[in-house]
Amino acid sequence: EAGVAQSPRYKIIEKRQSVAFWCNPISGHATLYWYQQILGQGPKLLIQFQNNGVVDDSQLPKDRFSAERLKGVDSTLKIQPAKLEDSAVYLCASSSGTGGYGYTFGSGTRLTVV
Amino acid sequence: GENVEQHPSTLSVQEGDSAVIKCTYSDSASNYFPWYKQELGKRPQLIIDIRSNVGEKKDQRIAVTLNKTAKHFSLHITETQPEDSAVYFCAAQTGGGNKLTFGTGTQLKVEL
Repeated sequence: EAGVAQSPRYKIIEKRQSVAFWCNPISGHATLYWYQQILGQGPKLLIQFQNNGVVDDSQLPKDRFSAERLKGVDSTLKIQPAKLEDSAVYLCASSSGTGGYGYTFGSGTRLTVV
Repeated sequence: GENVEQHPSTLSVQEGDSAVIKCTYSDSASNYFPWYKQELGKRPQLIIDIRSNVGEKKDQRIAVTLNKTAKHFSLHITETQPEDSAVYFCAAQTGGGNKLTFGTGTQLKVEL
C-alpha cells in the first residue's frame, strides 16, 4: 500500500512569514495526526483528526497554527506568522484503528525559520 | 495527561553486545506501547509494540517487556549490528483516542 505522503520535503522561510504543509494519509485511514519534532526531541502531537473532525488540538498554538481536513482525507497545516522556535520537522501520521495501533508516519517536512 | 520518560539519552555498545532502553509512563490507563526507530533524516518506523495484556513480546533480535505495576517498559536488542545505530523512541497510548505520547529518544551507536 502507498504510504503517508507529505509535501514539501523542505521549507525555509523568514520569521513572520506564513507556510503551509500538506499531508495525504494511507487510503482508508480515518485518523490523521500532525506532530512537531524539534531537533533532539520526541514527536509532540499538535492535532488529531478523526475523519474531518478534530479529536485533540490541546497542544496546538492556535494563535498561529491552524489545520484542516475538509473532506476527511488529506490535510493541511498552516503557520502564520512563523517564529524562529517553529523550526522543526512536521510529521503527519495516520492510523486505521480505534485503539492499540501504531501509526504510519510520513517523511515529514523540515521547516527552517530564519 | 500522559508523561513518558526515556533513558538513557545516548547509548554506545560494541557490535554483538546487547542494548537496553527503558521508559516509564505516568497514566495507568495507557494500554499500548510501541517502539519506533528513526534514522537520520528519515521518518520514525514502528519496530515492535506491546499491549497491556502481555508482559513480553519478541521479534528476532528485539524484545519488549512491560511491567504494568511499575509502569515501565523496556526495549532489548541482542547481538547488535551497526545498522541498529539510530534514535529509538518509546511511546504510550491511552484509551480510545489513539494519541501517542513519545519519550525523548535514545541515540544508539553500535561500534565496530
